[in-house]
Amino acid sequence: GQNIDQPTEMTATEGAIVQINCTYQTSGFNGLFWYQQHAGEAPTFLSYNVLDGLEEKGRFSSFLSRSKGYSYLLLKELQMKDSASYLCAVLDSNYQLIWGAGTKLIIKP
Amino acid sequence: ETGVTQTPRHLVMGMTNKKSLKCEQHLGHNAMYWYKQSAKKPLELMFVYSLEERVENNSVPSRFSPECPNSSHLFLHLHTLQPEDSALYLCASSQETGGVGEQYFGPGTRLTVT
Repeated sequence: GQNIDQPTEMTATEGAIVQINCTYQTSGFNGLFWYQQHAGEAPTFLSYNVLDGLEEKGRFSSFLSRSKGYSYLLLKELQMKDSASYLCAVLDSNYQLIWGAGTKLIIKP
Repeated sequence: ETGVTQTPRHLVMGMTNKKSLKCEQHLGHNAMYWYKQSAKKPLELMFVYSLEERVENNSVPSRFSPECPNSSHLFLHLHTLQPEDSALYLCASSQETGGVGEQYFGPGTRLTVT
């Protein structure tokens, strides 16, 4: 079967750095997405990785290792507004999105 | 604002009611999706439409009936639902299906079945 694993919940301090991990086992791979979802709001696109390595976009970076079936989302200089759920999703060989259950990130002052 | 709107935002219905959820996208996309989001579970893809044609139905019970009258509008008709159908129903759109483009989501309809 296809599976995406990510931690259910994480807590971090304002101004710090946090890394949210995602591991996957899917039938094929055509890229990995990260989405952010604030409570009661729509998920919004953060990043897409299809090649190995780190992609940086402001305070957020996303890393991919295809050989390890592993990705992480790195958030720097955390702000209170970063409190949200972060969803990892993999595009499989049929170009279907397989979703993780999301990681709820709690930022404390 | 993501360019995808959903109404109503909240809905409470009894098991014998009939209601409809509406989604509208203003992005000129060709593909639209219905997802079910339950607490602490992955998003469940329910239906996919491409250019108003249904291309996927992931074994969804017949008490959920989608309708796509044009590429900008998507409906989900609900009847004789069960309490376990209570969830957040998300609509999304993308430029096309089967590609690597990101999906744009609406804010969802929080459905409670009593």
